Amino acid sequence: TQLLEQSPQFLSIQEGENLTVYCNSSSVFSSLQWYRQEPGEGPVLLVTVVTGGEVKKLKRLTFQFGDARKDSSLHITAAQPGDTGLYLCAGPDSSYKLIFGSGTRLLVRP
Amino acid sequence: DVKVTQSSRYLVKRTGEKVFLECVQDMDHENMFWYRQDPGLGLRLIYFSYDVKMKEKGDIPEGYSVSREKKERFSLILESASTNQTSMYLCASSLLLAGTADTQYFGPGTRLTVL
Repeated sequence: TQLLEQSPQFLSIQEGENLTVYCNSSSVFSSLQWYRQEPGEGPVLLVTVVTGGEVKKLKRLTFQFGDARKDSSLHITAAQPGDTGLYLCAGPDSSYKLIFGSGTRLLVRP
Repeated sequence: DVKVTQSSRYLVKRTGEKVFLECVQDMDHENMFWYRQDPGLGLRLIYFSYDVKMKEKGDIPEGYSVSREKKERFSLILESASTNQTSMYLCASSLLLAGTADTQYFGPGTRLTVL
């Protein structure tokens, strides 16, 4: 069974700080996705990484896919209150279903 | 913009009631999904459908059924609601299946409480 483990589970930081959240697995994934879910809403896709070692940037967010395609990280520079939310990583299993990690809940305090 | 709508944001039902959760997407997507979301457990797939009248069990189908009579509409049915089905239910749609790294578009969710 393919599993995605995310760490940390919770993160509370001050506005302006940097942070990194992790998504790890013992299995190889063909791609990994990161979603952000704001309170009261459904998850929204931030990025898809498909190549081992790939780095993608989305403004202050930097996403990296591990060389072995078993892990990914999300780094936020100078966090803002608008970054508050639940960050979920997800990847396709062998039967084309998407499996999700349990998420990192981020609170950015003004 | 893709829009996925769910019939209710909040729902309170009694144990044993039959519950219908409706989901509609407006982008002509082939695939539709029902997940439940519980703290610390992430999103778990209940059922998905890759075509009208076609359905596949996900990881936790017990106690649930689904219906897809039209391409844009996917319904989740709790035949006899139980308290352990209290949860947030999320509907999603996608053009392609997950293996192709396609985007899943989610509705806002229905928070169901079973008393």
